[in-house]
Amino acid sequence: SQQGEEDPQALSIQEGENATMNCSYKTSINNLQWYRQNSGRGLVHLILIRSNEREKHSGRLRVTLDTSKKSSSLLITASRAADTASYFCATDAGNNNDMRFGAGTRLTVKP
Amino acid sequence: GAGVSQSPRYKVAKRGQDVALRCDPISGHVSLFWYQQALGQGPEFLTYFQNEAQLDKSGLPSDRFFAERPEGSVSTLKIQRTQQEDSAVYLCASSLLGPADEQYFGPGTRLTVT
Repeated sequence: SQQGEEDPQALSIQEGENATMNCSYKTSINNLQWYRQNSGRGLVHLILIRSNEREKHSGRLRVTLDTSKKSSSLLITASRAADTASYFCATDAGNNNDMRFGAGTRLTVKP
Repeated sequence: GAGVSQSPRYKVAKRGQDVALRCDPISGHVSLFWYQQALGQGPEFLTYFQNEAQLDKSGLPSDRFFAERPEGSVSTLKIQRTQQEDSAVYLCASSLLGPADEQYFGPGTRLTVT
């Protein structure tokens, strides 16, 4: 079963705009990770945020984590056509040994 | 350095056939994971190895699925008597230490059962 749920399921924006994707999860976590998957390719790790962190930046990416609401957001600023991909959040689900992925947000950035 | 590799990249099997999918993790990575990804969905956890020990196989959908990592490096996911519902992309990932670390994914094996 999947732990995280991304919202929205699909997002279409113009190049240069910002894109915000949200993730909600159900159980307590140690960390939350965001991954990107281009069409027909494997997943690429973007950023990891630990449960005691509230915000993290990496280049044009900004991730927030609100453990009280069991939610996280991924912001991509100044989007590019190359950002077109599916974005997944994944949580370690506490004491389990696995990462649980959501169904993903499909982002389309139009040039 | 080399990333995670998987073979074959594509596999077509007739229903009832057995298949074996191979994963070569990044050298030195302790943890190895297998996931199943259906079209339009996120990866679903199948099983996890720490070195050669299979610590979690709670995600394997049936006893037709079997995974091994006998020497703590290369892993094989075997599916016996394949069914159409087994059609999916099977992803392998490895991480340096444990499940909470960044996972590096291979390109996946697309299995089609006809």
